[in-house]
Amino acid sequence: NAGVTQTPKFQVLKTGQSMTLQCAQDMNHNSMYWYRQDPGMGLRLIYYSASEGTTDKGEVPNGYNVSRLNKREFSLRLESAAPSQTSVYFCASRRVLGRIEGTSGGSYNEQFFGPGTRLTVL
Amino acid sequence: EDKVVQSPLSLVVHEGDTVTLNCSYEVTNFRSLLWYKQEKKAPTFLFMLTSSGIEKKSGRLSSILDKKELFSILNITATQTGDSAIYLCAVNSGGSNYKLTFGKGTLLTVNP
Repeated sequence: NAGVTQTPKFQVLKTGQSMTLQCAQDMNHNSMYWYRQDPGMGLRLIYYSASEGTTDKGEVPNGYNVSRLNKREFSLRLESAAPSQTSVYFCASRRVLGRIEGTSGGSYNEQFFGPGTRLTVL
Repeated sequence: EDKVVQSPLSLVVHEGDTVTLNCSYEVTNFRSLLWYKQEKKAPTFLFMLTSSGIEKKSGRLSSILDKKELFSILNITATQTGDSAIYLCAVNSGGSNYKLTFGKGTLLTVNP
């Protein structure tokens, strides 16, 4: 299993250019997530897809769009890149750790991360 | 809005020292707290804690949760240079979206 893969690993854009970050997982996970990580800011959620066919905004969605192409793939698009979008972008998928007793379908989960894409916008 | 605060934000120690990293949280409908280690690349999962007072242990790392006081600690004993990393704390507040709220992390540097 490759786990979570992301392409490209590095990218430099000029202000106003567009690009799509690709993410794929081969673990048959239902939920997928896009984060950005900036120095001193931790991981901030951009968008997520709780299941195939659904997407929702996270904490910092402005300037981004996403597509859940199928169960495996979840892409992040920057339509008009800005220097404020210079960051490291991580894709993750949800791994179930166990079921919660006494609930119908509730589960304990962690998120399994891809290697990241380092994006610089000039 | 869910909130996770980690302290200290950075820490420099010598090999062999013991360190304690802190994580406090304010969330609605708490389900679990997770610790991750991030070296140069992606965060990797360390522990999940769901119940107060039950210690999770892996080698020299251990962690415990206090659901009454809303915090967790991560202890690392006999630190080694390979422990140098950012340690991230995250909380899952349940619901069908399975989102995690992360703290800003603690940057641990272990010097030889």
